[in-house]
Amino acid sequence: DSGVTQTPKHLITATGQRVTLRCSPRSGDLSVYWYQQSLDQGLQFLIHYYNGEERAKGNILERFSAQQFPDLHSELNLSSLELGDSALYFCASSVLTGRNTEAFFGQGTRLTVV
Amino acid sequence: AQKVTQAQTEISVVEKEDVTLDCVYETRDTTYYLFWYKQPPSGELVFLIRRNSFDEQNEISGRYSWNFQKSTSSFNFTITASQVVDSAVYFCALSEPSGSGNTGKLIFGQGTTLQVKP
Repeated sequence: DSGVTQTPKHLITATGQRVTLRCSPRSGDLSVYWYQQSLDQGLQFLIHYYNGEERAKGNILERFSAQQFPDLHSELNLSSLELGDSALYFCASSVLTGRNTEAFFGQGTRLTVV
Repeated sequence: AQKVTQAQTEISVVEKEDVTLDCVYETRDTTYYLFWYKQPPSGELVFLIRRNSFDEQNEISGRYSWNFQKSTSSFNFTITASQVVDSAVYFCALSEPSGSGNTGKLIFGQGTTLQVKP
């Protein structure tokens, strides 16, 4: 158990809909990262939050947004869903220090858009 | 730009064989971290090892060993006496150090699917 909790584990929804994925980081970790794993793109970095502030954006679509709340949990919002958004979405957390970049991953949320 | 290449898409071995998974990386940073993660059929990503760019000492953990060679920008992973439970997708990843404006995000290779047959 990595200590990172993602909910829900599975999500099936229709095209055009909006969903919210939730992530609770390990106790004490201030950094939350979101990654998308799809068959054609592999594992790709989406966005990084540190202590409530956005730190970096990767290949994240404009239809997607995220935030990190004061209790450090994070949500990834996906809207106007398309079939191609079907993927496994991972959250990872880490202690953001000068030397420690070890990231612990949650079990992922498998999103299926039909 | 940073890049990780895992040229082997799929490897199939028979139990008890040794197997090496290759990883080649590209980066302009002088300080960076390299990782290996395992993704079993259940889907989660399991951390295996982290190595920083200043430590080229090889590491062994049970049946697992890692060979880091800065001269060839490679960080290869060897499983000795493979077992069926080693069947999984293995990812190599590269990260810049966090702090000082860097985000510590991971750049993943495409992964190598290892199948260990009984």
